[in-house]
Amino acid sequence: EIVMTQSPATLSLSPGERATLSCRASQSVNANFAWYQQKLGQAPRLLIYGSSTRATGVPARFSGIGSGTEFTLTITSLQSEDFAVYYCQQYNTWPITFGQGTKLEIK
Amino acid sequence: LQLQESGPGLVKPSETLSVTCTVSGDSISNDNYYWDWIRQPPGKGLEWIGSIYYSGKTYYNPSLKSRVTISIDTSKNQFSLKLSSVTAADTGLYYCAGQYYDSWSGLFGWNDPWGQGTLVTVSS
Repeated sequence: EIVMTQSPATLSLSPGERATLSCRASQSVNANFAWYQQKLGQAPRLLIYGSSTRATGVPARFSGIGSGTEFTLTITSLQSEDFAVYYCQQYNTWPITFGQGTKLEIK
Repeated sequence: LQLQESGPGLVKPSETLSVTCTVSGDSISNDNYYWDWIRQPPGKGLEWIGSIYYSGKTYYNPSLKSRVTISIDTSKNQFSLKLSSVTAADTGLYYCAGQYYDSWSGLFGWNDPWGQGTLVTVSS
């Protein structure tokens, strides 16, 4: 099983700041990688797939980059609605696996 | 495309958990989707349980494979999860989700859309 490790576990920032979230895979997943956002009491929402393609309706302040084992999600100029938990996912190899999540909280 | 889970809410230890997902807005036989079950224990992260295609082809998480059965009913546009011999560790939110599938290349993809989730509590 491919283990996905996210860092940091918690990120405390202020609105308007830039957020950088990381995810590392225990072996290469090529670009078969996604990011999800989950707000309290809601289902996860797809943000990024194919490592760098924004899903429909996702604002341009969200961007993803990476391939192989290292991936990054950047959120420029944080808005109040961006404070949530973010999960990474690999779908390159069965079983599909998720990272443990990064909580983005207001500082 | 929308998905909606339904389930009993409360299951006794050692019994079988059963939840169903109803797909609306498209046919469950759309060959560009696998249909997944994903769960989330309270306050914890996401765990993929398994996937099913309209043909009945399944993939299961090895950690749960001995207890999991996923089935599909194309006439009702529904797919279902059964998890046997449950314990308190199986308590959590159970989500159904579509998984993109490129039927030409055979490549699997991301999960979108997701249902709202159904809470299942294992308790006597």
